[in-house]
Amino acid sequence: GIQVEQSPPDLILQEGANSTLRCNFSDSVNNLQWFHQNPWGQLINLFYIPSGTKQNGRLSATTVATERYSLLYISSSQTTDSGVYFCAVFSGGYNKLIFGAGTRLAVHP
Amino acid sequence: IAGITQAPTSQILAAGRRMTLRCTQDMRHNAMYWYRQDLGLGLRLIHYSNTAGTTGKGEVPDGYSVSRANTDDFPLTLASAVPSQTSVYFCASREDRGNTGELFFGEGSRLTVL
Repeated sequence: GIQVEQSPPDLILQEGANSTLRCNFSDSVNNLQWFHQNPWGQLINLFYIPSGTKQNGRLSATTVATERYSLLYISSSQTTDSGVYFCAVFSGGYNKLIFGAGTRLAVHP
Repeated sequence: IAGITQAPTSQILAAGRRMTLRCTQDMRHNAMYWYRQDLGLGLRLIHYSNTAGTTGKGEVPDGYSVSRANTDDFPLTLASAVPSQTSVYFCASREDRGNTGELFFGEGSRLTVL
């Protein structure tokens, strides 16, 4: 099945810093999402981005499907950005999203 | 606001008891899912349903059952709860268009089995 690897596993930032999170996947996909799980446990949709680039405020994402990776950019980080960021791709053979292990982000004031 | 509603938000349950976690969505999505999230193990699929009237097993289906009598509701039942079923349970839905369709999650139900 498809393997999804995220890096780095942990990231500590000072408020205001920028960061890039990476998601590599082992096979071609036509469904990729980024989620943020906040410290209260809620899973929040960030981007549905099987290919191309999207931006939403301070966050943007790029997926290069032919090279099997996606990047999530966080600019001018804030303490509210803390939490775990998950990348997930769809495995049609199993009818489910395959999740990466996540990147745990802590933003300090 | 449209979305997915899960109930209860949290529950403490004695081992051996029966428990049903409720999930309702108002987005008219055809596909619905139950995941459990455990520390260090990420999100694992328990059961799924591609459309009303059909269900399928995910990675960790043992000890759980589901039904999909209509489009909106997808309850998850633990027939006889065991402590290893202590977890946070997330219901999710999406409009299944082949391999596409954005997935949305409910708020989660935290279950503790003693």
